[in-house]
Amino acid sequence: ELKVEQNPLFLSMQEGKNYTIYCNYSTTSDRLYWYRQDPGKSLESLFVLLSNGAVKQEGRLMASLDTKARLSTLHITAAVHDLSATYFCAVGSAGGTSYGKLTFGQGTILTVHP
Amino acid sequence: DAMVIQNPRYQVTQFGKPVTLSCSQTLNHNVMYWYQQKSSQAPKLLFHYYDKDFNNEADTPDNFQSRRPNTSFCFLDIRSPGLGDAAMYLCATSRAGVETQYFGPGTRLLVL
Repeated sequence: ELKVEQNPLFLSMQEGKNYTIYCNYSTTSDRLYWYRQDPGKSLESLFVLLSNGAVKQEGRLMASLDTKARLSTLHITAAVHDLSATYFCAVGSAGGTSYGKLTFGQGTILTVHP
Repeated sequence: DAMVIQNPRYQVTQFGKPVTLSCSQTLNHNVMYWYQQKSSQAPKLLFHYYDKDFNNEADTPDNFQSRRPNTSFCFLDIRSPGLGDAAMYLCATSRAGVETQYFGPGTRLLVL
């Protein structure tokens, strides 16, 4: 059974600081997704990482994937208040009836304060 | 704009009274998913349709059923809602299993 673990689960950051959220998963996969969720809202797709060594950047967020280590990171640079949200990583399953299924991490609640 | 639409956005039902949640999409995606998300938890997949093929998760209670009458629409039926079924229900779509899932705005269900 695929397990996905994020850490930290809670992250309180000062504006302007850098930090990294980690996403570890237990079985082979080369499909890793990052989503953002604001309180009471749905999930917004941030990044899709589909190969070992993939790196994607959007604004102050950068995501990377190391399939050999079964690890993805979401790096936050110079945090601003607007980044406050819950961030989920999700790992894709391959093959059979699991095709397309995502297994989510627990989520990281990020709060950016002045 | 192409999108995933869920109705209603908020649904209040009574304990044991059947309820149906609706999802429609204009993305022409062949895969549609239903997730349950409880407060401060990750979304949990209930089932998904790959075209007309229905795939139920092993731990999805029998109380939850789904219908997909055509490519654009998918319904979640909760036959006898219990207090523990109060949650946000998210519909998502993808063009194929390897691609990003696009989520609708969700339906928040309250069971009294």
